Amino acid sequence: GNSVTQMEGPVTLSEEAFLTINCTYTATGYPSLFWYVQYPGEGLQLLLKATKADDKGSNKGFEATYRKETTSFHLEKGSVQVSDSAVYFCALSAESSGGSYIPTFGRGTSLIVHP
Amino acid sequence: DADVTQTPRNRITKTGKRIMLECSQTKGHDRMYWYRQDPGLGLRLIYYSFDVKDINKGEISDGYSVSRQAQAKFSLSLESAIPNQTALYFCATSDRDRGREQFFGPGTRLTVL
Repeated sequence: GNSVTQMEGPVTLSEEAFLTINCTYTATGYPSLFWYVQYPGEGLQLLLKATKADDKGSNKGFEATYRKETTSFHLEKGSVQVSDSAVYFCALSAESSGGSYIPTFGRGTSLIVHP
Repeated sequence: DADVTQTPRNRITKTGKRIMLECSQTKGHDRMYWYRQDPGLGLRLIYYSFDVKDINKGEISDGYSVSRQAQAKFSLSLESAIPNQTALYFCATSDRDRGREQFFGPGTRLTVL
């Protein structure tokens, strides 16, 4: 079946540090890939997405590139801020064994940014 | 106003009680989902519905049931709550295109004593 693996947290950084959160996937066909962010006490919201190989999604200084050859979609940001502290989820939408497109989420990575 | 709303936001109940969590959306999406979130386990899909007449089990449907009363409403029921159903529950919606993202409600924190 489809699956998403992302690095375990928490990831603890100082403000202005470089961020990478690794995400790899297993899926049939050609999945769409997503990063969601969950701020404390809130639901998830889309951060960025990519729908085909070599696409780069970007938003709020975050970037991720759809790498089909390595089945990866790593999240990066050049300079994190305290306000980026949240839980980040990698996800995909791909065809399931029943033929319909079902979302699959990773376990989430907590990011803590210190001033 | 929020596009996806959930009620209640918090609920404490006792083992054996029947609980219903409700979700409403104003996005006009056909697809709705229920997830639970547990620390270290991420989001797990309980049930999903691609339209009013289409209900499907997710990976952890045991102990849960759902009702899609209208395109905009999707309820999750725990017929006889047990402590290991203590979790944060999220409703989400999406458009039918596979490349479209999901939109999440604010969540319901359920505690079963």
